[in-house]
Amino acid sequence: GEDVEQSLFLSVREGDSSVINCTYTDSSSTYLYWYKQEPGAGLQLLTYIFSNMDMKQDQRLTVLLNKKDKHLSLRIADTQTGDSAIYFCAESIRAGNMLTFGGGTRLMVKP
Amino acid sequence: EAGVAQSPRYKIIEKRQSVAFWCNPISGHATLYWYQQILGQGPKLLIQFQNNGVVDDSQLPKDRFSAERLKGVDSTLKIQPAKLEDSAVYLCASSPNAGQRGTDTQYFGPGTRLTVL
Repeated sequence: GEDVEQSLFLSVREGDSSVINCTYTDSSSTYLYWYKQEPGAGLQLLTYIFSNMDMKQDQRLTVLLNKKDKHLSLRIADTQTGDSAIYFCAESIRAGNMLTFGGGTRLMVKP
Repeated sequence: EAGVAQSPRYKIIEKRQSVAFWCNPISGHATLYWYQQILGQGPKLLIQFQNNGVVDDSQLPKDRFSAERLKGVDSTLKIQPAKLEDSAVYLCASSPNAGQRGTDTQYFGPGTRLTVL
C-alpha cells in the first residue's frame, strides 16, 4: 500500500545543516520528490530522485535514497531563515505521475 | 510565464451548501490535477485530467464532488452538498506533458482555503 511518513517538526540554527527524513512503504516507487510549501502558498518542487540513484546534489540540497530501507532524506546546507517552511516528500508509483505525499515536516530556522 | 491561477482564495460556507472552485493552469499544459490538503496533512489527489479527459478520479467522493475541464483548459471543482470534513485547502496543479512520471514537473497554484461551518 501507499504510505509516506515524515517527522512533524525540525528546528535548526541559521548556518547549520538541516536533515529532513522520510520513509515510504511501496517498493515499486520509481520517483521520489521533495516539495516546499511556504505559508499561504502552493507547493514548489525542490528536487526529485529516480529510484536507481543513491544520491543527488543540487546546490545546497542533497538527496539521499536508501532503497533497501525505503528511506529518503533531504539535507539543506547552510540553512537560512528563508528556508523556514513545510517540506513534503512524495512518491510516484503509478502511471500518470500521480503523487502520494507525506504529512510534511515543518522546518523552523532560528537566527 | 504566469503560474497556475485559482479563485477564490478563501471561501466560507455552511454545511449542506454548494461551492465551486476555479483553476486556470499554465498556458499549454496538458495535464491538470486537483488535490485536497486537510490542515496538518499532505495533499491528496482527487482527480487528474489529461486535456479534457479524466485519467484518474478514484479518490474523488463522487456522491458530492464533481469536476470538469471543458475544452481542456480551465477546470472547476464543485462540492454539493458540503460537509464539515470538506474543510481544507484545494490545490490545483498542472504539468506540461502527458504525465510522464518523474520528469513531468507539477506546478501548483496557491490554493483555495474552504471553511465549512
